[in-house]
Amino acid sequence: EVKLVESGGGLVQPGGSLRLSCATSGFTFTDYYMSWVRQPPGKALEWLGFIRNKANGYTTEYSASVKGRFTISRDNSQSILYLQMNTLRAEDSATYYCARDTRAMDYWGQGTSVTVSS
Amino acid sequence: DVVMTQTPLSLPVSLGDQASISCRSSQSLVHSNGNTYLHWYLQKPGQSPKLLIYKVSNRFSGVPDRFSGSGSGTDFTLKISRVEAEDLGVYFCSQSTHVPTFGGGTKLEIK
Repeated sequence: EVKLVESGGGLVQPGGSLRLSCATSGFTFTDYYMSWVRQPPGKALEWLGFIRNKANGYTTEYSASVKGRFTISRDNSQSILYLQMNTLRAEDSATYYCARDTRAMDYWGQGTSVTVSS
Repeated sequence: DVVMTQTPLSLPVSLGDQASISCRSSQSLVHSNGNTYLHWYLQKPGQSPKLLIYKVSNRFSGVPDRFSGSGSGTDFTLKISRVEAEDLGVYFCSQSTHVPTFGGGTKLEIK
């Protein structure tokens, strides 16, 4: 069974940093692209970026809204995906989801909530 | 970025009715490889999104056949042939032909 479990969310001050984790199981992690998507309360989904699979060198792509502030990485030995978020702003407050990305996002985690506020 | 516009915003239905949701993209979603990467997701209250349909018309594993997707180019439709209570929630279309983007969502609710 494919499983994705996010953690690491919480309350952070503007300008602060946070690292989210996504523990995965049930599939061969290195075979898949992995994406991060966020959703502000009551709003639509926003793709943040992905990290490619082993065959494509684990390279990354980001949306313009987070490029330079957010970094996606992966620990392939432990099948964990990360999202490092720096210089956080109020508008980054959202539920953050990791998803397995096969061009469609076919499996999602339950999400972890991030609130940026002083 | 490609803008995905869904209509309607809200869709009140009676159980057993057919429901139809439209999704339009600001650019063609036909990839240079010939595929059209238009997908549909359902987010039930308090849950994460779940994939229903990928590449316009392919039902994901375990999705009932009352869900069907169609369309081409920039115009796409999700149809639910006989709405059941478990189908209620917010439906999102999404494209990954270009930098991935999502539609604003359509809330399917009981009339």
